[in-house]
Amino acid sequence: SQTIHQWPATLVQPVGSPLSLECTVEGTSNPNLYWYRQAAGRGLQLLFYSVGIGQISSEVPQNLSASRPQDRQFILSSKKLLLSDSGFYLCAFQPKTTGSPVRAFFGQGTRLTVV
Amino acid sequence: RKEVEQDPGPFNVPEGATVAFNCTYSNSASQSFFWYRQDCRKEPKLLMSVYSSGNEDGRFTAQLNRASQYISLLIRDSKLSDSATYLCVVISNTGGFKTIFGAGTRLFVKA
Repeated sequence: SQTIHQWPATLVQPVGSPLSLECTVEGTSNPNLYWYRQAAGRGLQLLFYSVGIGQISSEVPQNLSASRPQDRQFILSSKKLLLSDSGFYLCAFQPKTTGSPVRAFFGQGTRLTVV
Repeated sequence: RKEVEQDPGPFNVPEGATVAFNCTYSNSASQSFFWYRQDCRKEPKLLMSVYSSGNEDGRFTAQLNRASQYISLLIRDSKLSDSATYLCVVISNTGGFKTIFGAGTRLFVKA
């Protein structure tokens, strides 16, 4: 079966520290991968999406970056966190199909607090 | 203009009420549509897909109007457990399928 793992579940980091959030997918090959952020009481903001290894599209300019070193691994990074980076980060995957695109599946999310 | 727009609410309704959520999207080439439900501090979970002919799943009915670029979700006989945020989702092919979420509509069902 297809599953997605995201970690850590919660994280408290000081301003200016680096960040690395990891997401891995099992049970499917060459999925589309996504990173979203949700600020408190707000909707999901698409940060990055990837259609294949090494292919990353950025939706919002910011101090975050994403990488896809392996087919089913998606990493969200920052060199120096800002207070405004606090939020709920969600990784998602979408299996590729030959027909209409299908739904996305979410990891359980990482709640990041920058202090 | 945002790619996917929803009324943020909140909608406060009594148990048993019928409530409707609307969502508009800007990309006429969008191909797939979904409604997700998100409970507080949890990840979004699929509620239902939205098909061109409209579809129903128990108390939930989803409709798509491609000409107006509009989708809707109707919840009949609201239950307390329906309280959540409902997210409209649109997938567009822009050189690789991109999944865009609306900001969500909060629903509170009260006894």
